[in-house]
Amino acid sequence: GIQVEQSPPDLILQEGANSTLRCNFSDSVNNLQWFHQNPWGQLINLFYIPSGTKQNGRLSATTVATERYSLLYISSSQTTDSGVYFCAVADDYKLSFGAGTTVTVRA
Amino acid sequence: NAGVMQNPRHLVRRRGQEARLRCSPMKGHSHVYWYRQLPEEGLKFMVYLQKENIIDESGMPKERFSAEFPKEGPSILRIQQVVRGDSAAYFCASSSAGGVTPYEQYFGPGTRLTVT
Repeated sequence: GIQVEQSPPDLILQEGANSTLRCNFSDSVNNLQWFHQNPWGQLINLFYIPSGTKQNGRLSATTVATERYSLLYISSSQTTDSGVYFCAVADDYKLSFGAGTTVTVRA
Repeated sequence: NAGVMQNPRHLVRRRGQEARLRCSPMKGHSHVYWYRQLPEEGLKFMVYLQKENIIDESGMPKERFSAEFPKEGPSILRIQQVVRGDSAAYFCASSSAGGVTPYEQYFGPGTRLTVT
């Protein structure tokens, strides 16, 4: 299967700070999704982004498919951004998840 | 527009009992996927189903686990004779058959299974 590496594994931010999360993958994909797992364990869809750039409020994402990586940007972080951010990729339907980046935003 | 629904949200079973986990996909979605999140292993694919068909069960343990998605009603993930190692969060996801974002998957809230 496709290997997915996320970095950094842990990130501690002060409220209002910006950050970048990275996802590297080992093969070409036609599906790449970013998720936020909140402290209650729910997986929230953030982006479907197999290529290109998207923005949604304070979050944005860029995937450079030819170089096999994706970046998730969090701007002006808030305490509600805390949780684990997962990148998941597939060359068909079977999503392979990275180990996640645990983000803690302190007030 | 209801999202993916799973029930129960929490399930406690004793060793040897059966666990039944239910998933209703988003309206308009005909594809269902099950994933398992174990504490030290992360999220792993288990099975992919369409109505009345198992498309890919390559991630399912060979014994005790089964899944179905009948013509009517929710998808069911069944675990027979549960063991402590089955304790995990089980997530269901659904997707549409095509469109602009084929196979974009939306996840339910999960069922947290605890085996005592």
